[in-house]
Amino acid sequence: DTEVTQTPKHLVMGMTNKKSLKCEQHMGHRAMYWYKQKAKKPPELMFVYSYEKLSINESVPSRFSPECPNSSLLNLHLHALQPEDSALYLCASSQVGRSGKGPGELFFGEGSRLTVL
Amino acid sequence: GEDVEQSLFLSVREGDSSVINCTYTDSSSTYLYWYKQEPGAGLQLLTYIFSNMDMKQDQRLTVLLNKKDKHLSLRIADTQTGDSAIYFCAESNAGNMLTFGGGTRLMVKP
Repeated sequence: DTEVTQTPKHLVMGMTNKKSLKCEQHMGHRAMYWYKQKAKKPPELMFVYSYEKLSINESVPSRFSPECPNSSLLNLHLHALQPEDSALYLCASSQVGRSGKGPGELFFGEGSRLTVL
Repeated sequence: GEDVEQSLFLSVREGDSSVINCTYTDSSSTYLYWYKQEPGAGLQLLTYIFSNMDMKQDQRLTVLLNKKDKHLSLRIADTQTGDSAIYFCAESNAGNMLTFGGGTRLMVKP
């Protein structure tokens, strides 16, 4: 199984709603990532979890709240979002990087396309 | 900080070769990658090259690395309409943090 599965594929929410994006992988990867991608732009790193602990938060607003309940699952909880938060949210996983060893091959999901009204 | 740059757009005819170029600034880059993104989809790793190599070939794909000039290229032989997508160059250092280029949109005309 070399897949990263994201749900839902599409989400429309109002600015007062609370919703969650979910990501699952069964490749035994212990690093999981959330990226945000706006149209015609490269993905921007939001969060990195390593061994189920948050290791990187790229100064993401608190209206985005990540959670890693176990080594296979990664959630992104959304609350009080703004229209400019509309984007494709990509989850990825990889082996945990070791200095000088192993390619940093990230396996990406298909993404969850979020529209905030 | 790291910077990865690519040209925005490339148009080729079906059957021709495509060459997508990328430049990067981080001299400590360990691996360099090419990802493909089709419309509405996630990113798919096409190939990668370790920084002590200068060429890697994988079927229709050839990656060339000029470490001195910090220049990376992806050549797609016999380009097909199914190759139309956005191609992202990315680099990483000792960890797994990727820095992506802005992406090159490849359009293949029949």
